[in-house]
Amino acid sequence: GAGVSQSPSNKVTEKGKDVELRCDPISGHTALYWYRQSLGQGLEFLIYFQGNSAPDKSGLPSDRFSAERTGGSVSTLTIQRTQQEDSAVYLCASSLGQSKQETQYFGPGTRLLVL
Amino acid sequence: DQQVKQNSPSLSVQEGRISILNCDYTNSMFDYFLWYKKYPAEGPTFLISISSIKDKNEDGRFTVFLNKSAKHLSLHIVPSQPGDSAVYFCAASVSRADSWGKLQFGAGTQVVVTP
Repeated sequence: GAGVSQSPSNKVTEKGKDVELRCDPISGHTALYWYRQSLGQGLEFLIYFQGNSAPDKSGLPSDRFSAERTGGSVSTLTIQRTQQEDSAVYLCASSLGQSKQETQYFGPGTRLLVL
Repeated sequence: DQQVKQNSPSLSVQEGRISILNCDYTNSMFDYFLWYKKYPAEGPTFLISISSIKDKNEDGRFTVFLNKSAKHLSLHIVPSQPGDSAVYFCAASVSRADSWGKLQFGAGTQVVVTP
């Protein structure tokens, strides 16, 4: 498909477990972003990657959250020792990375529920 | 600190009429604004954007107005159609190097278009 894809679409885990969420950006997009949407809230920026530059991690809520992007394409968001407040929809987006004003295209999200 | 605010959580409008969605922001450094539409269980879909050098941008049934002095933007949908029923998010960014691409979102407005 031509769009951003994310997996899994749903994830239920127990408190204290680690989870990994995957994002495949649109082919050719060098910029990749992670956001999360908690229930009844807007989207909250977490982290973004642009080409080979150091990622902007300023939105990560705690050191339990980390993300990597391998080979400039696929990205994995890892949450260690999950807590119930981590329950949210985690959304990935990508953009061309050629302009400071460009559209970000979103994937369908991963719905995470921490019991 | 919520820098982008959508104070109306919901809006009901009759099919064929105009839908007006409002968004206020507090950060005067924002210079790029976007509207996204989101259906349940899907990622946000880009609708329309506006740069701070403009005060209006139009695309088909969608028009975005920007009032920089009031730090206010609005989205007009004319005429409203049943398929427009969705949650609409306002987003803003600052186009400087250390904030490249980081979108700040409002909490969203649920629009319901009735026959």
